[in-house]
Amino acid sequence: DQQVKQNSPSLSVQEGRISILNCDYTNSMFDYFLWYKKYPAEGPTFLISISSIKDKNEDGRFTVFLNKSAKHLSLHIVPSQPGDSAVYFCAASRRDGQNFVFGPGTRLSVLP
Amino acid sequence: DTEVTQTPKHLVMGMTNKKSLKCEQHMGHRAMYWYKQKAKKPPELMFVYSYEKLSINESVPSRFSPECPNSSLLNLHLHALQPEDSALYLCASSNPRPFNEQFFGPGTRLTVL
Repeated sequence: DQQVKQNSPSLSVQEGRISILNCDYTNSMFDYFLWYKKYPAEGPTFLISISSIKDKNEDGRFTVFLNKSAKHLSLHIVPSQPGDSAVYFCAASRRDGQNFVFGPGTRLSVLP
Repeated sequence: DTEVTQTPKHLVMGMTNKKSLKCEQHMGHRAMYWYKQKAKKPPELMFVYSYEKLSINESVPSRFSPECPNSSLLNLHLHALQPEDSALYLCASSNPRPFNEQFFGPGTRLTVL
């Protein structure tokens, strides 16, 4: 049973436009969420996080939105750049644990 | 230094071999993790060490044996592996809590023949 879902395996976006990556979770005990970016042959790189006491967190071109009632979060990248092309993983954790559960990932391609 | 290093980058081993994967960080993090990642799948947690003590073992077979000699080092000892154990093995570190992101190493690509 997948606790963290990313229903879009891939997404293509034109350079300069907005990329929106979605993530849904089923475990209501999760209260900390992270986005990681992964290039081939490299480990995942932390991008941005949000805790359940917030509904938005922004860092430069990256904004994460959390809708607790819908158990849904999204990552917005604007403007998208070709260097953003990578696999993006959503991850979730409980306050009392260190066990981050990763979603299956979405491959983002930003076209020049 | 915000880097997690892993050696070796690539490892090929037979089913009867014994080998070790190594991970090192100098960020002062007191939690370290081993993940396994198969192609086109997300990382799956194997072990967590917190303050050099094993705190989470996600029902990993005993042919994988973790070791945390000190707060900067994490090893994964491998013995009698199966071909299905071939994967990318990722090490990560973080502050134990609360809510701290994990920094990942580049991984060791393991192939079991």
